[in-house]
Amino acid sequence: RKEVEQDPGPFNVPEGATVAFNCTYSNSASQSFFWYRQDCRKEPKLLMSVYSSGNEDGRFTAQLNRASQYISLLIRDSKLSDSATYLCVVSLGGGYQKVTFGTGTKLQVIP
Amino acid sequence: NAGVMQNPRHLVRRRGQEARLRCSPMKGHSHVYWYRQLPEEGLKFMVYLQKENIIDESGMPKERFSAEFPKEGPSILRIQQVVRGDSAAYFCASSPPGDVRYEQYFGPGTRLTVT
Repeated sequence: RKEVEQDPGPFNVPEGATVAFNCTYSNSASQSFFWYRQDCRKEPKLLMSVYSSGNEDGRFTAQLNRASQYISLLIRDSKLSDSATYLCVVSLGGGYQKVTFGTGTKLQVIP
Repeated sequence: NAGVMQNPRHLVRRRGQEARLRCSPMKGHSHVYWYRQLPEEGLKFMVYLQKENIIDESGMPKERFSAEFPKEGPSILRIQQVVRGDSAAYFCASSPPGDVRYEQYFGPGTRLTVT
């Protein structure tokens, strides 16, 4: 089983739609979770951290489910500019900062 | 505050040559990570370094690849005797010491093409 698994997609959604991605992780000791965004041929950039209580940043909502070992990202009112690959990132934390990246979920927002 | 810098942005090497990729972390950052991304694939961790120390090199191929992060100067990823399969984007990331969020800041990458 992969350490971090994501549905590669692509998810093709119309503008204004709501779309959700899930990501599962295998190590129950994982402590830190993030969503990164990567545009084509560019570097990944942090979208948001994922906290145990869940967190929201504008149109983006991230949730963590430790019992089932998955995190989710919800995007509301999709914009064309949201088209990108979304990377799930998991870290064991505890002072050791190696993180594991999922292979990403590709989102294409269609006019 | 300048971001993570990588150079060169594009590097072309013939099979058998050496490739040297450089990464200057953000100011104040003491942790450096190298990742490789093959076309249409995800990021693969290669190595994690702190100043003058390799902390985790579990993702580095056993041969031809080496990395360093000297006390002064940038981190260097060196690939000796390159082969076609080394063609990829190599990203460097850095993070500050003691950052409990463990967020990593990425450089723009070096795209290596082996001909």
